Formats: sequence, structure tokens, C-alpha cells
Amino acid sequence: KQEVTQIPAALSVPEGENLVLNCSFTDSAIYNLQWFRQDPGKGLTSLLLIQSSQREQTSGRLNASLDKSSGRSTLYIAASQPGDSATYLCAVPRGGADGLTFGKGTHLIIQP
Amino acid sequence: NAGVTQTPKFQVLKTGQSMTLQCAQDMNHEYMSWYRQDPGMGLRLIHYSVGAGITDQGEVPNGYNVSRSTTEDFPLRLLSAAPSQTSVYFCASSRGGSAGELFFGEGSRLTVL
Repeated sequence: KQEVTQIPAALSVPEGENLVLNCSFTDSAIYNLQWFRQDPGKGLTSLLLIQSSQREQTSGRLNASLDKSSGRSTLYIAASQPGDSATYLCAVPRGGADGLTFGKGTHLIIQP
Repeated sequence: NAGVTQTPKFQVLKTGQSMTLQCAQDMNHEYMSWYRQDPGMGLRLIHYSVGAGITDQGEVPNGYNVSRSTTEDFPLRLLSAAPSQTSVYFCASSRGGSAGELFFGEGSRLTVL
């Protein structure tokens, strides 16, 4: 059964810092990985989708990497801003079944 | 720019009552799904559909029914609500199946007393 772990569970940093969020998964036979953002009381917004053939995907100040062999992905946020405050979730295909397995998320607070 | 629309946003039910959570998307996505989000549990797949007339069970389907009569709509039915179904429910759709880029609705918060 696929399991996804996100570390840290919570993070609070001052504005302007570069930061890294971590995601690990137990079954490396995945064909992609997605990072999502969730604001309080809102739905999830897809940030980046990395195919298994890719090692990195970038969107603005966000960069996500994928290392299938080690079962890890990182989300790098450059020059963090208060508007980046949210919960960030990673998700991978469930493996042998439809749908995604989600991590429990990293709750990020950027202090002004 | 409606995307995925869920109604209602909030609902309180008594144990044993029935209700339907509505989900509609205007992006012509073939794939639609329902997840529930619980504290400490993350999101879990309830049911999904790969196209009109086709539905299947996800990870936690018990107590829920779905149907897909049109591409746009994918309602989730609770036939006899239980307190264990207190949760936030999210509908999501995708052009590329379950592992394509998922577009989520804003959620429906359900409390069962």
C-alpha cells in the first residue's frame, strides 16, 4: 500500500527566506507526482505535476524535484512571501488502484 | 471560469438522514472523483468516474453512492448519514484520468449529529 509522508508538518519562517518542503513515498513505481496548495477553508490548487521521466518542474518561484529511486520529492520555494502561507500537499498514484494517495501536508506560515 | 462547483458549502444532518452533495464542472473533463478530508487522515478517495455512465469505488466507498449521467455532473449521495461521515468533501476533475492535473472544488463541510 502506497504511503506518503511529508516533513515537516509545520514550518514558520520570516519573509524572504528560501525553503524546502519534503515528501517521501513508499512505492517507487509511480508515473508522476503532484504538489498542491490548500488555503484555509478552500479546495486544493495544483501547483506542479512531475512526470516520472522528469527530474524537475518549475513554475515561477516554485521548483519541484523527483527522485523515484529514493522515493523522495522536494518543493523549493524561493524568496518566500506572506502570500505563500498555506498548507502544501504532495500526492502520488495509489498503485494498483485508481486515485491518488496524499500526504498530510506541511502547514507553512511566512512571517511578514 | 467556474471550474468545479460544489453545493452546498455547509450542511448539518441528523443521523439517518439522507442528502446529496452536488458537483459540476464546466471543463469537459472525463474524469471526476470524490475525496473526503479528515484531520490526521489526509484525503481519501471515495468514488470516481472515468466518463458518463461509468463509476467505480475508491478507497472508502461504504455509505456513499454516486452516478454519472452527464459529463458535467457527479453527485455524491449519503443514503443514511452516520457521525463517522462528518468530514469535508471535495470533488475533483481531470482531463488526464486520476493522475492528470486535478482541479478541485472548494469543498462541502458536512456535520452529522
